[in-house]
Amino acid sequence: KAGVTQTPRYLIKTRGQQVTLSCSPISGHRSVSWYQQTPGQGLQFLFEYFSETQRNKGNFPGRFSGRQFSNSRSEMNVSTLELGDSALYLCASSRGTDTQYFGPGTRLTVL
Amino acid sequence: AQSVTQLGSHVSVSEGALVLLRCNYSSSVPPYLFWYVQYPNQGLQLLLKYTTGATLVKGINGFEAEFKKSETSFHLTKPSAHMSDAAEYFCAAGVQAGTALIFGKGTTLSVSS
Repeated sequence: KAGVTQTPRYLIKTRGQQVTLSCSPISGHRSVSWYQQTPGQGLQFLFEYFSETQRNKGNFPGRFSGRQFSNSRSEMNVSTLELGDSALYLCASSRGTDTQYFGPGTRLTVL
Repeated sequence: AQSVTQLGSHVSVSEGALVLLRCNYSSSVPPYLFWYVQYPNQGLQLLLKYTTGATLVKGINGFEAEFKKSETSFHLTKPSAHMSDAAEYFCAAGVQAGTALIFGKGTTLSVSS
């Protein structure tokens, strides 16, 4: 069974731009969660989508948003990028109440 | 608020030695508990998990962890370290298994020959 895939793997943007990251979950998984990993703050939960609805949300500003499509694929958008948004963004999928499986991440660099 | 504390940001062992990575959680309700491993430039790989039932949990690659409610701990052990175990290890907790995990800061394990 294919694992969680994330595209692109690497991204370079400049301050003020916006970015969209994509995540395809494991087949049959309806929940997709997003996490931000930085050296200073570690791994932090952004939000979770289940059956196209945001079910949980972490403590991040409104510049961070997401959505989920009917095929469970999810996108995460960050608007008005700041230098501090440079991070590894990890996507995880699950059936909803079971273990999360993580993708390889997208490395975002903001210049 | 729920939190996860990993004692020791860096642990060094010799090949063949015991590996012990410490994790404590704070929660009024026993959470779901996980250990993940991360190799450089990769995502997180699940090592093992505790949800309910047996408190000694066995995972992949010879790792195991014991849930101790009285100590609010979930320490990760491996009897004999291998060079390939060198990586960063994360302990995580959640009131649900499928989302919104709270992670510890991580412990980097170095293994020397």
